[in-house]
Amino acid sequence: SQKIEQNSEALNIQEGKTATLTCNYTNYSPAYLQWYRQDPGRGPVFLLLIRENEKEKRKERLKVTFDTTLKQSLFHITASQPADSATYLCAPILTGGGNKLTFGTGTQLKVEL
Amino acid sequence: DTGVSQDPRHKITKRGQNVTFRCDPISEHNRLYWYRQTLGQGPEFLTYFQNEAQLEKSRLLSDRFSAERPKGSFSTLEIQRTEQGDSAMYLCASSLAGRDNQPQHFGDGTRLSIL
Repeated sequence: SQKIEQNSEALNIQEGKTATLTCNYTNYSPAYLQWYRQDPGRGPVFLLLIRENEKEKRKERLKVTFDTTLKQSLFHITASQPADSATYLCAPILTGGGNKLTFGTGTQLKVEL
Repeated sequence: DTGVSQDPRHKITKRGQNVTFRCDPISEHNRLYWYRQTLGQGPEFLTYFQNEAQLEKSRLLSDRFSAERPKGSFSTLEIQRTEQGDSAMYLCASSLAGRDNQPQHFGDGTRLSIL
């Protein structure tokens, strides 16, 4: 069955460092992968989309990679700030699926001063 | 763009009662999705609409769950005869139709607590 794995343990890093979050998927051949941010008590907020034929996508301090051979996406936040503290969710997307999202469990990031 | 709004934000009810949640999507979005999220998990897809048509409902958790979008605008999710296991956050999202990679815009959810 399709499975999406994200680091279940929280990631604690120091302000200014680069945070790297991992999303691994199995029994899947997604055409796209989306990343969302979720704050406590709030709904997820869309951050970035990457297509299967794109190796890397950037938006300001965010960078996403997509390795279809390894079946993995990495999400990087450079020069991290305490305001980046949140849970980050990945969602691989199949074509023809009506855009319904299947999320990983999310990784909680805490950026400390 | 006023965003996706959900009502109520919190609902506390006794086991066995029926509950109904409302979602108002972004006005120009024709797709509307319902998800459920439990503590420590990502949102779990339940059902979705394109305009007023419910295109998938096989993931609704049981026949106690139903959703409507009567005029292709707002939607309601009803849970009948609630059980303890229904306690969760219920999220609504909307997007434009078209390609399968459209970002979804989520509301802040309705948190359901079953006593």
